[in-house]
Amino acid sequence: EIVLTQSPGTLSLSPGERATLSCRASQSVSSSYLAWYQQKPGQAPRLLISGASSRATGIPDRFSGSGSGTDFTLTISRLEPEDFAVYYCQQYGSSPITFGQGTRLEIK
Amino acid sequence: QVQLVQSGAEVRKPGASVKVSCKASGYTFTTYAIHWVRQAPGQRLEWMGWIHAGIGDTKYSQKFQGRVTITRDTSTSTAYMDLSGLRSEDTAVYYCARGGNYFDPWGQGTLVTVSS
Repeated sequence: EIVLTQSPGTLSLSPGERATLSCRASQSVSSSYLAWYQQKPGQAPRLLISGASSRATGIPDRFSGSGSGTDFTLTISRLEPEDFAVYYCQQYGSSPITFGQGTRLEIK
Repeated sequence: QVQLVQSGAEVRKPGASVKVSCKASGYTFTTYAIHWVRQAPGQRLEWMGWIHAGIGDTKYSQKFQGRVTITRDTSTSTAYMDLSGLRSEDTAVYYCARGGNYFDPWGQGTLVTVSS
């Protein structure tokens, strides 16, 4: 099974700053089948990025994804107040589908 | 709009079973898979399995093999997740999600509490 490790565990930043979240896989993720989700308290996860770098419908362009193989990054260029949440990466290239443990993005 | 609506919270005793439903609307149900994912308190998201809503094929995570059964009713565009042999560690929020590969959208979640 592919283990995904996200870093940092918690990221404290201010609105307007740039956020860089990392997701490292224990094995290469085939065909960049890597997605990112945002989850706010009491809500279901929401798809942000699929295929490592394709924004989902309706996702603002301040969110961008990059990477391949075993190293992937989610970047939020200028944080808005509504962006403070938990972010998960997911690989769907091999079974079982697995998720990272999450990065909590909190207001500094 | 595409929407998945799940059944309400459940409380079960250890050893019992629970069946959670997920009703889809806003798209052709049989052209996508439905996945089930759970989130125990303080834990990461955990994939349980999926069903191709059209042909009915299923695939389960080895962790849940033998305890989980995913079915669907195409006449009502509803998928079901049945988990048996419940134990306290199964206390979690259970989500359904539409997928081919990535998951979009997700249902609102169903809290299943296992307690004696």
